[in-house]
Amino acid sequence: GNSVTQMEGPVTLSEEAFLTINCTYTATGYPSLFWYVQYPGEGLQLLLKATKADDKGSNKGFEATYRKETTSFHLEKGSVQVSDSAVYFCALKGQTGNTGKLIFGQGTTLQVKP
Amino acid sequence: DVKVTQSSRYLVKRTGEKVFLECVQDMDHENMFWYRQDPGLGLRLIYFSYDVKMKEKGDIPEGYSVSREKKERFSLILESASTNQTSMYLCASSVPSAGLTEAFFGQGTRLTVV
Repeated sequence: GNSVTQMEGPVTLSEEAFLTINCTYTATGYPSLFWYVQYPGEGLQLLLKATKADDKGSNKGFEATYRKETTSFHLEKGSVQVSDSAVYFCALKGQTGNTGKLIFGQGTTLQVKP
Repeated sequence: DVKVTQSSRYLVKRTGEKVFLECVQDMDHENMFWYRQDPGLGLRLIYFSYDVKMKEKGDIPEGYSVSREKKERFSLILESASTNQTSMYLCASSVPSAGLTEAFFGQGTRLTVV
């Protein structure tokens, strides 16, 4: 079945450091891929998304490229801020079916220190 | 502004109690979901509903049931709460299509069973 694997956290960085959070997936066909972010005490918010190979999703300085050949969707940001401290979830939605059901990775906690 | 509202942010219940978690969305979405969030396990799907009175089991339905009598409201029921159901519960809604449609999440209910 479909699945998502994220790198283990927590990730601790200094402000202005470069961020990479790895995400790989297993799925048939061409799933849609998402990154969601959960700030402390809040629900999940969509950060960015991509629907086909080589698509790049971007938002708030974050980017992720849909790599079909490596089944990956790694999240990157060139210069993190303290306000980026949150839990980040990679997720996929299967190509077939219309339920909109999302499958999530384990989540990666990011802590950015001033 | 789109909204998914969960009735309680925090709940403390006793073992064996029947517990109701309520979720309301104002976006006229057909799909609604209940996820459970635990550290290191990410979000796991308990149940989802793709229409009024329609439901399907997710990955971890044991010990839970759901009710969808109206389109905007989706209730999660713990028939007899147990300590291993202590967790964060997240409700979400979306439109029913494959591809690049996002899910919108509520703020979560942190349930403690003592």
